[in-house]
Amino acid sequence: GAGVSQSPRYKVAKRGQDVALRCDPISGHVSLFWYQQALGQGPEFLTYFQNEAQLDKSGLPSDRFFAERPEGSVSTLKIQRTQQEDSAVYLCASSLSTGFSGGYEQYFGPGTRLTVT
Amino acid sequence: SQQGEEDPQALSIQEGENATMNCSYKTSINNLQWYRQNSGRGLVHLILIRSNEREKHSGRLRVTLDTSKKSSSLLITASRAADTASYFCATDAWRDDKIIFGKGTRLHILP
Repeated sequence: GAGVSQSPRYKVAKRGQDVALRCDPISGHVSLFWYQQALGQGPEFLTYFQNEAQLDKSGLPSDRFFAERPEGSVSTLKIQRTQQEDSAVYLCASSLSTGFSGGYEQYFGPGTRLTVT
Repeated sequence: SQQGEEDPQALSIQEGENATMNCSYKTSINNLQWYRQNSGRGLVHLILIRSNEREKHSGRLRVTLDTSKKSSSLLITASRAADTASYFCATDAWRDDKIIFGKGTRLHILP
C-alpha cells in the first residue's frame, strides 16, 4: 500500500516568507509526528497528533511554527516569516499507536527539504 | 534536544565484516528503536526492543539493551554495500508516544 507522502519535496523560500508543508500519513494511522532534521544530525521532534488532537508541541522552536491536522488525516506544518536557521529537512511520520503506550514503529515520509535564502 | 548519543560517529569497515554501533541515553525509557537512513530509502525502522528485554535478533541484526547502563548496541553481521547508511537509536519514555532520536552513526561499507 501507499506509504507516507510529503509535498513539496523541495522548497526554496526567501527570508520572511511563509511556507506550508504537507503530510499524507498511511491510511488508518492514528498518530502523526513532525521532525526537523539538520544536516548531519538526527531528527528532532517538533510535534505530535493523535487523530486531530495535537498532544505535544514541545519541540516547536518558536511561535512562528504551527501545525494542524483538522480532520485527523492530512497534516500541515506552517512556518511563518521564515529565517535562515529554519533551513532543514522536515520529516513526517505516522504510526498505529492509539494511546500513550509507545513502542510502535514509525513510518517516515521522504521529507521536505526547505532552504531559506 | 536529543536523548541518545551514538558511538562511534562514523565507522568504515570492509564488506563481510561485522559492524557494531552503540547508543547511550540519559533518562529512563520504555522502548528503544533503531532506524536506518540512506538517500535511497529515507528513514526506515529496523528493530524495537522493550525495556524488559535484553537482546533481540532480526535477520543479520542483533540488538542488546542494558538499562542499568542506559545503553544499547546494534550489531550488523556480514555487512553488505547496501548497509551503508546512517543509523539512529530512538527512545520513548513511559506513557509517551513521541520518540527522541540520537545523532546517529554514519556507517560506510568498503568494497
